[in-house]
Amino acid sequence: QKEVEQDPGPLSVPEGAIVSLNCTYSNSAFQYFMWYRQYSRKGPELLMYTYSSGNKEDGRFTAQVDKSSKYISLFIRDSQPSDSATYLCAMSKTGANNLFFGTGTRLTVIP
Amino acid sequence: GAGVSQSPSNKVTEKGKDVELRCDPISGHTALYWYRQRLGQGLEFLIYFQGNSAPDKSGLPSDRFSAERTGESVSTLTIQRTQQEDSAVYLCASNQRDSYEQYFGPGTRLTVT
Repeated sequence: QKEVEQDPGPLSVPEGAIVSLNCTYSNSAFQYFMWYRQYSRKGPELLMYTYSSGNKEDGRFTAQVDKSSKYISLFIRDSQPSDSATYLCAMSKTGANNLFFGTGTRLTVIP
Repeated sequence: GAGVSQSPSNKVTEKGKDVELRCDPISGHTALYWYRQRLGQGLEFLIYFQGNSAPDKSGLPSDRFSAERTGESVSTLTIQRTQQEDSAVYLCASNQRDSYEQYFGPGTRLTVT
């Protein structure tokens, strides 16, 4: 069993839709949870960071962590074509090093 | 300021040849990471350098893979006797000590024919 599971998609939504992206994990020691966005032929860039359980909102993006269910989510409101990218979840026990990544979900927002 | 840079951006090599990939981290970043990203796969950790400490090589898949870093600057990832399964994008990232955010370069796309 992989430490981090993520549905690879692809996921296509119309512009303006609410997008829900999810990851599950098996290691209860994970405390740091991140979402990276990766545009085609670019390196990933950090989008959201959450420590332990709870919600974090940044503009149109909301990250949720449910440690009891070992489940994390990223919601994108009012999705835009510029949101079309691959979204990777990542998590760690100790911080930035030793990150475990999901496979990434490829999202396309159709104008 | 300048981000993480990697070279070459693309590399096509024949099976059995050695290749060397280069990463220039952000100035002042003490930590440097190498990852492999196969098509349709997540990022696979390869190796981690932190300052002058011994590197964490636990992710290197075989003894054909090695990496060096000079102080807190440039790093090179060397793959000897390349195999077709080595075809992937090799990503480098760097960050400051105790910072949770890794900054990624654009990657080197390696194709082994």
